[in-house]
Amino acid sequence: ETGVTQSPTHLIKTRGQQVTLRCSSQSGHNTVSWYQQALGQGPQFIFQYYREEENGRGNFPPRFSGLQFPNYSSELNVNALELDDSALYLCASSLAEKRGVGEQYFGPGTRLTVT
Amino acid sequence: SQKIEQNSEALNIQEGKTATLTCNYTNYSPAYLQWYRQDPGRGPVFLLLIRENEKEKRKERLKVTFDTTLKQSLFHITASQPADSATYLCASGSARQLTFGSGTQLTVLP
Repeated sequence: ETGVTQSPTHLIKTRGQQVTLRCSSQSGHNTVSWYQQALGQGPQFIFQYYREEENGRGNFPPRFSGLQFPNYSSELNVNALELDDSALYLCASSLAEKRGVGEQYFGPGTRLTVT
Repeated sequence: SQKIEQNSEALNIQEGKTATLTCNYTNYSPAYLQWYRQDPGRGPVFLLLIRENEKEKRKERLKVTFDTTLKQSLFHITASQPADSATYLCASGSARQLTFGSGTQLTVLP
């Protein structure tokens, strides 16, 4: 088991609502990335935070936003939920490396269902 | 656009045999590739990283190769066991993100 935790484990929301997912990184890690994983697919990169600033973003609309806190915990916020947002949301912590993204330590994920 | 592809068909093999999984990439040259294991309902677990200047990397029963000419990485599990049954994900790295393939589901039959 990694030291990365996520909450909640499961969540059901209605279309149009807003949701906040939380992640606590592994001790000593300064970078957190968020991924969306649909059933049967690989994780899709949403964004990465390094030292509390967004440090890279995938092909996701602005209604997906995030925060990283000084203690390296982080949040993923999704506004105006759509049915297609139903997925497993994964956070992963790592140590920033000059040569790119190092090995990622994933949390267990939050299963979001939008009805 | 950058693409990373894994064989989407499930792979079934007999216990004790070597499992070989394939990862192909197109339209770019990643500096490195990573392999992860994912069990149902859980987050991926890092297994191995191989850089573009490395031909091969090993860890216990695992071996990864990186062929920049073929634009392909192969992932081998030798002496496979039923406990190796899982989905295996390949990911390519850039400065700030990992791009994952869709994964290959491996079942090792006793």
